[in-house]
Amino acid sequence: GAVVSQHPSWVICKSGTSVKIECRSLDFQATTMFWYRQFPKQSLMLMATSNEGSKATYEQGVEKDKFLINHASLTLSTLTVTSAHPEDSSFYICSAREADTNEKLFFGSGTQLSVL
Amino acid sequence: GESVGLHLPTLSVQEGDNSIINCAYSNSASDYFIWYKQESGKGPQFIIDIRSNMDKRQGQRVTVLLNKTVKHLSLQIAATQPGDSAVYFCVGGYQKVTFGTGTKLQVIP
Repeated sequence: GAVVSQHPSWVICKSGTSVKIECRSLDFQATTMFWYRQFPKQSLMLMATSNEGSKATYEQGVEKDKFLINHASLTLSTLTVTSAHPEDSSFYICSAREADTNEKLFFGSGTQLSVL
Repeated sequence: GESVGLHLPTLSVQEGDNSIINCAYSNSASDYFIWYKQESGKGPQFIIDIRSNMDKRQGQRVTVLLNKTVKHLSLQIAATQPGDSAVYFCVGGYQKVTFGTGTKLQVIP
């Protein structure tokens, strides 16, 4: 199946700093990528939908100025957590949809963010 | 997005037995469904999908059944192995993929 690479797999940062997470589709083009966050023992919560070349669409309750999303190419989307605080600590997961089939979603391996 | 939920939060199965994980959906217009498996600390992994013009689809050791009349999906895992222990999600819809609670499958050795 298609491969989605997500980096870093874990990051620890100080409160107030910004963290960038990358999501790459390695062997396919993805016009749409999705960003999720997941707290322990809970399901994935959709944060935003990222479309190549346009602004991301954020879910209700997700601060767009806090979670900056850039989808500059068909193979790369980035999520930047700005001025991170301990409550932003979570498992962040990206997914990408193949442009030609527009069906299956393939997921990255996730990024565990810990804000001290 | 599709509103999809799982009937049971946890399912314990003896190794070697068959597992059946159930899922209900609310939107009768949904025409595409996917089952994902998520192991601890990892992203969801695609298992199998099914379109609404089918009522059954088989993969390697897995079978998905779709009952459109009662808006119900099930994932059957044959000869369950310890490596099958994970949380399983069914998701629906093409546009925006949202996840329900998930069912945690525990395999008892």
